[in-house]
Amino acid sequence: DTGVSQDPRHKITKRGQNVTFRCDPISEHNRLYWYRQTLGQGPEFLTYFQNEAQLEKSRLLSDRFSAERPKGSFSTLEIQRTEQGDSAMYLCASSFNRDSGSYEQYFGPGTRLTVT
Amino acid sequence: GESVGLHLPTLSVQEGDNSIINCAYSNSASDYFIWYKQESGKGPQFIIDIRSNMDKRQGQRVTVLLNKTVKHLSLQIAATQPGDSAVYFCAENMGANTGNQFYFGTGTSLTVIP
Repeated sequence: DTGVSQDPRHKITKRGQNVTFRCDPISEHNRLYWYRQTLGQGPEFLTYFQNEAQLEKSRLLSDRFSAERPKGSFSTLEIQRTEQGDSAMYLCASSFNRDSGSYEQYFGPGTRLTVT
Repeated sequence: GESVGLHLPTLSVQEGDNSIINCAYSNSASDYFIWYKQESGKGPQFIIDIRSNMDKRQGQRVTVLLNKTVKHLSLQIAATQPGDSAVYFCAENMGANTGNQFYFGTGTSLTVIP
């Protein structure tokens, strides 16, 4: 257990429905990242926050994807009008930004989304 | 045993042998690298990191080597154990100009034979 938690662990939804996932990072970590991972591939970066500011979101897969971190603690990732191609593992990671530039990321267990 | 990363995504070694997992990264501007271990059904687990101003770093039973000239990373695991069986990813960070994104390689699946 890395200290990063994600909820739910599994989500099955029908195409066209909206889904929201939650990530609770390690409490002292100021950075939070979202990734998507499909079978046999490495995690694919989606977006990240430093505190409550979303500093990079150009890699979000489409405008159906959005993320928030309103109080600089937990974060949510929402997918609207889900498609079968959205089926994947959605991973959250957190890190503490150090002046040294080393900022290892600690991953949560992921939320596995299945769109039927 | 040794893998060539993207070209040979599976590696089988005998318990007790040393393992070498290789990774070719894409961007010469990348300045920070991490090796992760991912077991089935779990998120990636941090193993070891290295900055671009270093060429070698050692941890407990693991060593990471960085060759910036050819943009190559390797992970060496000493005395490989059955619990080391997993998929191993290298991740490169291209720095603040890219939003500190991490890019992951495809991964190498390591199987330890008892």
